[in-house]
Amino acid sequence: QKEVEQDPGPLSVPEGAIVSLNCTYSNSAFQYFMWYRQYSRKGPELLMYTYSSGNKEDGRFTAQVDKSSKYISLFIRDSQPSDSATYLCAMVEETSGSRLTFGEGTQLTVNP
Amino acid sequence: DGGITQSPKYLFRKEGQNVTLSCEQNLNHDAMYWYRQDPGQGLRLIYYSQIVNDFQKGDIAEGYSVSREKKESFPLTVTSAQKNPTAFYLCASSIHPSSKYTQYFGPGTRLTVL
Repeated sequence: QKEVEQDPGPLSVPEGAIVSLNCTYSNSAFQYFMWYRQYSRKGPELLMYTYSSGNKEDGRFTAQVDKSSKYISLFIRDSQPSDSATYLCAMVEETSGSRLTFGEGTQLTVNP
Repeated sequence: DGGITQSPKYLFRKEGQNVTLSCEQNLNHDAMYWYRQDPGQGLRLIYYSQIVNDFQKGDIAEGYSVSREKKESFPLTVTSAQKNPTAFYLCASSIHPSSKYTQYFGPGTRLTVL
């Protein structure tokens, strides 16, 4: 079983839709949670990060962590064609330095 | 401009050859990382280095080697012992080994074995 599971998609939505991207994990020691966005043939860029359970909002993006369910989500409101990319969740334990464990990524297409 | 550069962008290798991928950063970051990305597998850690002249194996180090002689540079050699080297290789750095979030990625090198 993978430590981090992420639905690979692909996910296709119309412009303006609310998008929900999700990851589940099995390691209860994960404390820090991140979302990266990766455009085609580019390196990932850090989009959002949260520590432990709770919500964090940044513009059209909201990251949500539910440690009791071992479940994290990224919501994108008013999605735009420029949001079309692969979204990777990543997480790290408190004691493992900065070694990230990644999900496999969800490919999102927002259609104009 | 500060950032991470990787070269070349595309690399072709014949079977049985070693090849070295370049990664340079001018962010003054202490820690550097090499990942491999395959379709359906996400990013997997190959090697990482927290300080100059020191590095540790990641989850899939077999068939790879690295060096860290300078803070700015962390080259990765894909040896002929790597059985399936065709992949997208990503280099990353973070300001400090304990910084949990801030890994910055380079643009990647796509290696194809012919």
